[in-house]
Formats: sequence, structure tokens, C-alpha cells
Amino acid sequence: QSLLTQPPSVSGAPGRRVTISCTGSTSNIGSGYDVHWYQQLPGTAPKLLIYDNNIRPSGVPDRFSGSKSGTSASLAITGLQAEDEADYYCQSYDNSLSGSGVFGGGTKLTVL
Amino acid sequence: EVQLVESGGGLVQPGGSLRLSCAASGFTFSSYAMTWVRQAPGKGLVWVSAISGRGGSTYYADSVKGRFTISRDNSKNTLYLQMNSLRAEDTAVYYCAKADGDYGDPQFDYWGQGTLVTVSS
Repeated sequence: QSLLTQPPSVSGAPGRRVTISCTGSTSNIGSGYDVHWYQQLPGTAPKLLIYDNNIRPSGVPDRFSGSKSGTSASLAITGLQAEDEADYYCQSYDNSLSGSGVFGGGTKLTVL
Repeated sequence: EVQLVESGGGLVQPGGSLRLSCAASGFTFSSYAMTWVRQAPGKGLVWVSAISGRGGSTYYADSVKGRFTISRDNSKNTLYLQMNSLRAEDTAVYYCAKADGDYGDPQFDYWGQGTLVTVSS
């Protein structure tokens, strides 16, 4: 069981908006550690999608956005497209693990 | 262009050992921390281990502490993961990833294609 909790699945119709939550605790997100998000398309390696809570790397569409508040973070995807169908993971660090990295359990996004 | 290429995966019996390598290019290797992340078949990403740029600091998940050793050879731009006393639950694709920094809580901005480790008799 991961220290960061994500919903196993979310879905949305093309063009709609979905959000994926990442719930942590005072030993990780709530301690001030940044949250990063990754997208993993089927059969491929993960790709950095959002870093430092809300920053998009070059080349990532502005349809993707991130936020963080308290012990939680969220990834929002607007204008859903078929190619957004993938697994999404949040990642941070945790004091209880001597500052080691931790991933959320992942969320499967289905575009209806 | 940043490239990370893992190798060394394969089939190993329970209790056996394996050493993974990750050849890096396209960036100043010694300036960045590196990490290993694994993904069991059909499961999510799990952070395994990390090492600082100069190799002086190492970190491990509790599940591999005492069995796995991370190291790096900055003269060869290569990251390693020595895996001993392997168990069936270590079966996974192992990814190496570059951290975007050498301290704090960096994101992993580049990933290799992964190498499959299967532990089975």
C-alpha cells in the first residue's frame, strides 16, 4: 500500500475535464515536499508530465495542470483526447522513509 | 540528447543474484542523482533506490535494503544495481531514471526503456 493514495481509475468523454487526486500525509506532501506527475502510455516508460507541483516541462500541452494544497495534490486534464488514455502517477518524498522517494499507486485514465 | 540504456535483466532463480547497468549519455552524469524504479507485471511504479551525483549518498526502499546495492562509475557514465538474494516478488521491469538535480526532492526527468528481471525456478 503506497503512502500516496490515488483513485485506481477515472474516465471522461473527449473534450471534457478530469482530475486525479493524490492524497498524502504530514510526512510527505504535507512536509513541503514537491509533487511530480508522470504519464505512462501502454507498453512504454513513464514520462515526466508535471514537476514541482504545477510546472509543465517543455512540450507538455497546457491542457495538463497540477496543484498542491496541504497534504494533497491534483492533476487536471482539460479537453480530453484519445491519446491521453494512459496511467498517471504522482511522486514525492517521505520523511518516514529517510527522505526516500515514493509513488502513488497510479490511476488509469479511460477516454470514453 | 539524453539517453539512458538499461541492461543486465533476465531470468534468475530465487536466492540468485543479478547486476543491472544503466549507460547514460547526453548530460554531465556526475552532476545528477540517479534512481532505480521498478514495475511488477500489471502493477504500479515503485521507487527502489537512489544515489547522489558523486555517489556519496545512497537510499533504499525497505523492501530491498540489505539485498540491493546501488552504485555508479562516473568515469564510465554508468549506474548499477547489484541485486542479491532475489525473491519472486522482485520480478519486475527495472527502470533507471535521471533526477533533475542532486539534492532536495527532484523529479525524474528522463527514463530508460527498462529491463525485465524475472525471478523464478
